Amino acid sequence: NAGVTQTPKFQVLKTGQSMTLQCAQDMNHEYMSWYRQDPGMGLRLIHYSVGAGITDQGEVPNGYNVSRSTTEDFPLRLLSAAPSQTSVYFCASSYSIGRAGEQYFGPGTRLTVT
Amino acid sequence: DQQVKQNSPSLSVQEGRISILNCDYTNSMFDYFLWYKKYPAEGPTFLISISSIKDKNEDGRFTVFLNKSAKHLSLHIVPSQPGDSAVYFCAASEVTTDSWGKLQFGAGTQVVVTP
Repeated sequence: NAGVTQTPKFQVLKTGQSMTLQCAQDMNHEYMSWYRQDPGMGLRLIHYSVGAGITDQGEVPNGYNVSRSTTEDFPLRLLSAAPSQTSVYFCASSYSIGRAGEQYFGPGTRLTVT
Repeated sequence: DQQVKQNSPSLSVQEGRISILNCDYTNSMFDYFLWYKKYPAEGPTFLISISSIKDKNEDGRFTVFLNKSAKHLSLHIVPSQPGDSAVYFCAASEVTTDSWGKLQFGAGTQVVVTP
């Protein structure tokens, strides 16, 4: 099993550009989520999904969109990048909603917006 | 408003000694607590968890203690090993249908284990 994979590992965007961060898991997990990590702030939940076709907002959803058309994939879209979105982004998954706290994380995408 | 706080950004400990990491929370609805470990350029990995019905949970060298009245939990690592050098995140979740899995993370504590 590859676990949770994220692409790209690094990305530099100009303000106003859009892009999609990819996330995939091969563990047949129901629950997937996106976090951002900023210095001194820990990880903050952006969006999450409890199953294919179902998504919801987390703590910091503004400026991001998600969709969940398959169990395996959970892409995160930045609609119009802003410098405040410079961060490290982590995707995570869990094998059941009831154990969603024990999540498996991907290696992260480091995004810089200039 | 951070609901989970790790007030020590760093901790240095000698190999073989005990590492004690602390975490405080403000939301009395938190009912499930976890610790994650993170190496540079990797994602966090789940370490150990505890639910509010317990005050202690042990897994090998790692023990988590929960004091609900003080809204405080701690992670003990005994004995500390060089491979334990990492950032440790405390996280908490409310056990409700709407909140399950929505983890609130602390800012992390960098642990350095010296020979």
